Amino acid sequence: EAAVTQSPRSKVAVTGGKVTLSCHQTNNHDYMYWYRQDTGHGLRLIHYSYVADSTEKGDIPDGYKASRPSQENFSLILELASLSQTAVYFCASSDPGGGTGQLYFGEGSKLTVL
Amino acid sequence: GQQVKQSSPSLTVQEGGISILNCDYENDMFDYFAWYKKYPDNSPTLLISVRSNVDKREDGRLTVFLNKSGKHFSLHITASQPEDTAVYLCAAGENQGGSAKLIFGEGTKLTVSS
Repeated sequence: EAAVTQSPRSKVAVTGGKVTLSCHQTNNHDYMYWYRQDTGHGLRLIHYSYVADSTEKGDIPDGYKASRPSQENFSLILELASLSQTAVYFCASSDPGGGTGQLYFGEGSKLTVL
Repeated sequence: GQQVKQSSPSLTVQEGGISILNCDYENDMFDYFAWYKKYPDNSPTLLISVRSNVDKREDGRLTVFLNKSGKHFSLHITASQPEDTAVYLCAAGENQGGSAKLIFGEGTKLTVSS
């Protein structure tokens, strides 16, 4: 009954190819986020969204696009995948009304670009 | 530059000892501080958090100390156990409308040896 689910969990892509990572949440949260994890860098925010049909740039948005077609779904799109985008990607959601700031993460998507 | 920094990439503690994890931040506007725990191949989960109006918060074996003048916060784990072995990520942010746009540190790998 995971509340934040990501797909695919693992993907191998070729350089220059298009990659779409999908995220679905059943928390009824307004805020959703995409982070990437690299060794030595912790988690870095790529894009986030606080309402459907709207996305915001995070700290490292270059090379990525995001799409929020509904409250439940948030996608991360790599139009031209590059070697440097090999990483583990985490989606998360949060509830602004609660004010706790707690992020609820998905299981992660491991992307390898060759 | 790195807005949230964990200077120790790794820490080893004997079982039963106290684990002290440190985090420094740069932004004076940060008013929310958190520690997340991450096991290998798992997603991060929130351990404990504090807001800037307190300088200490305890929860069982966990205590967070916040030093706003020094832009520093730490996590103390007493009676450390082997199951505490994990990567610990500190995070900080401005709780703007509850968006929880968090900046994470690089992580500290804690190993509790028996």
